[in-house]
Amino acid sequence: EAGVTQFPSHSVIEKGQTVTLRCDPISGHDNLYWYRRVMGKEIKFLLHFVKESKQDESGMPNNRFLAERTGGTYSTLKVQPAELEDSGVYFCASSQGWTQEKLFFGSGTQLSVL
Amino acid sequence: GENVEQHPSTLSVQEGDSAVIKCTYSDSASNYFPWYKQELGKRPQLIIDIRSNVGEKKDQRIAVTLNKTAKHFSLHITETQPEDSAVYFCAASKSHAGNMLTFGGGTRLMVKP
Repeated sequence: EAGVTQFPSHSVIEKGQTVTLRCDPISGHDNLYWYRRVMGKEIKFLLHFVKESKQDESGMPNNRFLAERTGGTYSTLKVQPAELEDSGVYFCASSQGWTQEKLFFGSGTQLSVL
Repeated sequence: GENVEQHPSTLSVQEGDSAVIKCTYSDSASNYFPWYKQELGKRPQLIIDIRSNVGEKKDQRIAVTLNKTAKHFSLHITETQPEDSAVYFCAASKSHAGNMLTFGGGTRLMVKP
């Protein structure tokens, strides 16, 4: 079974540029989550999709971040324009069930904003 | 909201010794506590979890204990091996909040051969 895949694995951009991260969840997993770890601190929740609908986006830091999951399959997270403090590792995770089910994480996208 | 504190941030042990990582949480409504292990360059993987109706859970060399009154839970690794070296994250969630996990800051465990 293929795991959660994320692209790219690394991205280096300049402040003010736009970056789009992609996540392909495990096939059949309706629940998709975005998390990020900034500056070696704790992993923080960003948002949760159930199929194509945003179930909870309370963790999105500001309106420079836009997440989509058209068709309920893969998801994208766009940062526009990127700021220095957006640097970190962005993780995607998916689960079969809605609550307190085993979360399968992707390997993350290391984003560096210079 | 929930706040999870994790200690220590780094832990170095000799192979064969035990390692203990402790976490505290603030929201008494939290009832699910998973632990994730992230090896260098790899994805975080669930290694063990515990629900609030259980005080202790064991899986081979790994055990987790939960004290609901004190709002803390701990990961215990016995007979540590070099392959246990990784960053370990504790987390907490509430059953009505989906899989919105609140993570601790992580513990870098180094097992010296």
